Amino acid sequence: LAKTTQPISMDSYEGQEVNITCSHNNIATNDYITWYQQFPSQGPRFIIQGYKTKVTNEVASLFIPADRKSSTLSLPRVSLSDTAVYYCLVGFNQAGTALIFGKGTTLSVSS
Amino acid sequence: DSGVTQTPKHLITATGQRVTLRCSPRSGDLSVYWYQQSLDQGLQFLIQYYNGEERAKGNILERFSAQQFPDLHSELNLSSLELGDSALYFCASSAGGGRNYNEQFFGPGTRLTVL
Repeated sequence: LAKTTQPISMDSYEGQEVNITCSHNNIATNDYITWYQQFPSQGPRFIIQGYKTKVTNEVASLFIPADRKSSTLSLPRVSLSDTAVYYCLVGFNQAGTALIFGKGTTLSVSS
Repeated sequence: DSGVTQTPKHLITATGQRVTLRCSPRSGDLSVYWYQQSLDQGLQFLIQYYNGEERAKGNILERFSAQQFPDLHSELNLSSLELGDSALYFCASSAGGGRNYNEQFFGPGTRLTVL
């Protein structure tokens, strides 16, 4: 399973764009890159998933370079409610391999 | 609301005891996953079932066991409980289809406290 490395913590202010980068140097050909968000005492929530290039949904954008060895989750104009832990995962769960959650990045948004 | 339900919400028990945590997946989801989250270990994958069969195994202790029943609900049994088993236990489910291959829907969790 591909191991991921992401910053332990990040700080931001309301209204700023936040970019969280994750490195996954040994990503496999059929692995997808997935990001989850978790609030305290709640289960993680799926945010976005991508394979290559750029994916955007109503919550975030995911940028993946051609070599796929890293990815960047972009949160536009964060608010206090975006304070949470963000997990980067790589894998292909439908093939029966488990998703491995690391320690994640704790994002703190201040006013 | 993810559509995944877990009972009970809280459980307080003593060391050496046995407890059962229950999970009902989203309607139609065939896969069920169990995770343990403690302060020092983060979110640890325990086990996955797919349509009643064990599909993947993670860091699940021998004192722990799980099963998925024909109606697709799942139970996680924890026995000979130790203080270190105190944690939040999450159940998640997934459809096994669609474009978001790694999308799992997590329940609200069961907070287990072992005294």
